[in-house]
Amino acid sequence: GENVEQHPSTLSVQEGDSAVIKCTYSDSASNYFPWYKQELGKRPQLIIDIRSNVGEKKDQRIAVTLNKTAKHFSLHITETQPEDSAVYFCAALSTTSGTYKYIFGTGTRLKVLA
Amino acid sequence: DVKVTQSSRYLVKRTGEKVFLECVQDMDHENMFWYRQDPGLGLRLIYFSYDVKMKEKGDIPEGYSVSREKKERFSLILESASTNQTSMYLCASSLRRELTDTQYFGPGTRLTVL
Repeated sequence: GENVEQHPSTLSVQEGDSAVIKCTYSDSASNYFPWYKQELGKRPQLIIDIRSNVGEKKDQRIAVTLNKTAKHFSLHITETQPEDSAVYFCAALSTTSGTYKYIFGTGTRLKVLA
Repeated sequence: DVKVTQSSRYLVKRTGEKVFLECVQDMDHENMFWYRQDPGLGLRLIYFSYDVKMKEKGDIPEGYSVSREKKERFSLILESASTNQTSMYLCASSLRRELTDTQYFGPGTRLTVL
């Protein structure tokens, strides 16, 4: 079936450094890729997304890049701050067999060290 | 603001009990989803629904059923709870089926089956 691989599973960076999380998907028909941030004890919340007709999208310190040929996409966080510490999930919208569903990665626990 | 609520934050049940998890959204969303979240496994889709009385199996439907009698409410049912169903359960909703709309998550229900 469809799947999304996410790496690394944990990531520690010094405050002010950049963090990069990578995901690879299997469904070549996927055309929408959201990223969610889940702080400890809270619900996942969308932080940025990208559609297949663009290669990069930025929102302040957060950016996402997409390589459709290689079927991978990445989250980039620059100038990291302690409040960026959370679990980040990537997802791909799978459209196999005419149904639409999100396949999530396994999550990356980001720790920003002050 | 979209609001997705779940009936309980914490629930403790015994093996063999029938368990109902309720999810309500207040934004007239067509799509509703049930996921379970386990460490190292990310979010896995159990069931989803595109319309009232409509349901489709996700990736791990075994041991679960769902009910959507009203558009705003989506229930997850564990017919006979087992210890391997101890998990965090997250409900989500999104506006429309075909378009790549944001999923909004509920706060989660942490279910423990003894």
